[in-house]
Amino acid sequence: EAQVTQNPRYLITVTGKKLTVTCSQNMNHEYMSWYRQDPGLGLRQIYYSMNVEVTDKGDVPEGYKVSRKEKRNFPLILESPSPNQTSLYFCASRWGTSGNEQFFGPGTRLTVL
Amino acid sequence: AQKVTQAQTEISVVEKEDVTLDCVYETRDTTYYLFWYKQPPSGELVFLIRRNSFDEQNEISGRYSWNFQKSTSSFNFTITASQVVDSAVYFCALSVDSGGYQKVTFGTGTKLQVIP
Repeated sequence: EAQVTQNPRYLITVTGKKLTVTCSQNMNHEYMSWYRQDPGLGLRQIYYSMNVEVTDKGDVPEGYKVSRKEKRNFPLILESPSPNQTSLYFCASRWGTSGNEQFFGPGTRLTVL
Repeated sequence: AQKVTQAQTEISVVEKEDVTLDCVYETRDTTYYLFWYKQPPSGELVFLIRRNSFDEQNEISGRYSWNFQKSTSSFNFTITASQVVDSAVYFCALSVDSGGYQKVTFGTGTKLQVIP
């Protein structure tokens, strides 16, 4: 089944404790992206990657890191999480160009205390 | 800079009423793509439709229709004869491929509640 998977689905952590949210897709998509969803703000793009070893900042990259060492995986790293990073995070992937729809993962709900 | 505005935060309609969700976008790029996604209460994001900047044809898919007007930078979504299953948050999104970057900008979403 074609899908985007994220782990963990739920995470409660404390300020400053490094964490990684994994994202994997099995559709051989070149483009992958991370978003955060907050009430009243919609989805905001954090980082995206157009292919292996090619990443770029979205609109809200501060406090996040990403890497793309393999085509299928695009982990989101929070080196020192803070409470303002409490949010619902979505990973997405798509084939090819900007004109193609994105396939989203199920979301990761992160709470930073 | 890109921007997508969904001015309607929440809309409530009674079942079988028609409802239109507004989306206004801003971009300097001449080639761009517009999307609508649906997020039902279960939380997943589901693709509904895509339009490119060169195709202003309106589209109808069952009870759903979309009106794209470049003159007003709008890409509105109409649900005819709404049903309870249409209750969801709907997002409009703008995607460009410009100067080596491929950002995607979403609107803040419109929460639609269809009351039986």
